[in-house]
Amino acid sequence: NFMLTQPHSVSESPEKTVTISCTRNSGSIANNYVQWYQQRPGSAPTIVIYEGTQRPSGVPDRFSGSIDTSSNSASLTISGLKTEDEADYYCQSYDNNIVVFGGGTKLTV
Amino acid sequence: EVQLVQSGAEVRKPGESLEISCKASGYRFTDYWIGWVRQMPGKGLEWMGSISPRDSNTRYSTRYSPSFQGQVTISVDKSVTTAYLQWSSLKASDTAMYYCARLQGGLMTQFAYWGQGTVVTVSS
Repeated sequence: NFMLTQPHSVSESPEKTVTISCTRNSGSIANNYVQWYQQRPGSAPTIVIYEGTQRPSGVPDRFSGSIDTSSNSASLTISGLKTEDEADYYCQSYDNNIVVFGGGTKLTV
Repeated sequence: EVQLVQSGAEVRKPGESLEISCKASGYRFTDYWIGWVRQMPGKGLEWMGSISPRDSNTRYSTRYSPSFQGQVTISVDKSVTTAYLQWSSLKASDTAMYYCARLQGGLMTQFAYWGQGTVVTVSS
């Protein structure tokens, strides 16, 4: 099975832009969709990006997703950072009927 | 409105059995897979397995992570639109928060809706 690797933590100031990466170690990142979940302290995860680039209704357009096949990675970009964006973020994908989560990234705003 | 309401916190001793539940409402239960996700204290999310309520009695209805195969059992009761996660013999290392989550379609889709989580504590 494959793994998804994320940076342990990132930090940025309010109103700035931050990008969180998610690198797949085997198989192409483009073979299967990547999702991103936000988990605030003490709360269940919620989805913020699905199918690589799609935003569920209710998620601000400050959140965007992308795929880079050259680095075999997916990215979550949050622009106009707000203090409420401070949370853990997890990427997730799948292959051969196996679901894999990345290790998570703690975002400090 | 889609809702997943999980059963309350549990405290058990090592070796004991346990079943926690996830009551689904607000959609056609048999149309969407449901999965279970573990989060150990201070750690990340781990997929345990997922089940198709439509085909719950067939060979291919349930998929487990290799890490959890044989360690837990996932099942559903369509009559009460509820999914279950069961242990036959708990270990201290099973202490964690457990989330159920509804997929947006089949197994290879996103976890669109999440339950509030069930804390399981295993201690002698």
